[in-house]
Amino acid sequence: DIQMTQSPSSLSASIGDRVTITCRASQTISSHLHWYQHRPGEAPKLLIFAASTLESDVPSRFSGSGSGTEFTLTITGLRLEDFATYFCQQTYSNPRTFGQGTKLDFK
Amino acid sequence: QVQLQESGPGLVKASETLSLTCTVSGGSIRNYYWNWIRQTPGKGLEWIGYISYSGNTKYDPSLRGRVTISVDTSKDQFSLKMTSVTAADTAVYYCARLRGYYDRGGYWIEDRGPLDYWGQGTLVAVAS
Repeated sequence: DIQMTQSPSSLSASIGDRVTITCRASQTISSHLHWYQHRPGEAPKLLIFAASTLESDVPSRFSGSGSGTEFTLTITGLRLEDFATYFCQQTYSNPRTFGQGTKLDFK
Repeated sequence: QVQLQESGPGLVKASETLSLTCTVSGGSIRNYYWNWIRQTPGKGLEWIGYISYSGNTKYDPSLRGRVTISVDTSKDQFSLKMTSVTAADTAVYYCARLRGYYDRGGYWIEDRGPLDYWGQGTLVAVAS
């Protein structure tokens, strides 16, 4: 199985900050990496697919980059609604695996 | 707006079968892949498997043949059955739609796409 190591596991930030979350794969996954946002009590929401493509209706303050084994999700200009948990997922091979998640909260 | 809703018992006895259904509304079940995922505090998110609209399936091998996913296109539903459950199967279970996409080379990636719509999840507890 491909292990997805996500860091940090938690992150404290303020409104307006720029934050970066990293996902590392235990072997190359090309660009088959997707990022999601999960707020408590809601369905997870797709933010970025194929490592760097912004999902429709997702604000441009979210961006993704990387290929191979290292990937990043960056949020530029944090807004109140961005405080949530973020996780990555690889779909390069089965079983599909997820990062452990990064909880973003108020500093 | 596509919506997915999980339904099924919230409590299952150990050694019995867990059965969940996901109802898709606001869009067709055709031309996509339909997934089950679960989440526990200890293991995080775990992919269980998927089924295509035509009935092709893939499962996490670690579930050792305990899992069956089926689809009913006439009802826009797909289902999960997990046999011989134990306390380790206690989790929040999500259903989700997998969408294909074109990669940078212009190739259609049918079954490696993202999960673009999810249900809100349903908690299933296994009682010993």
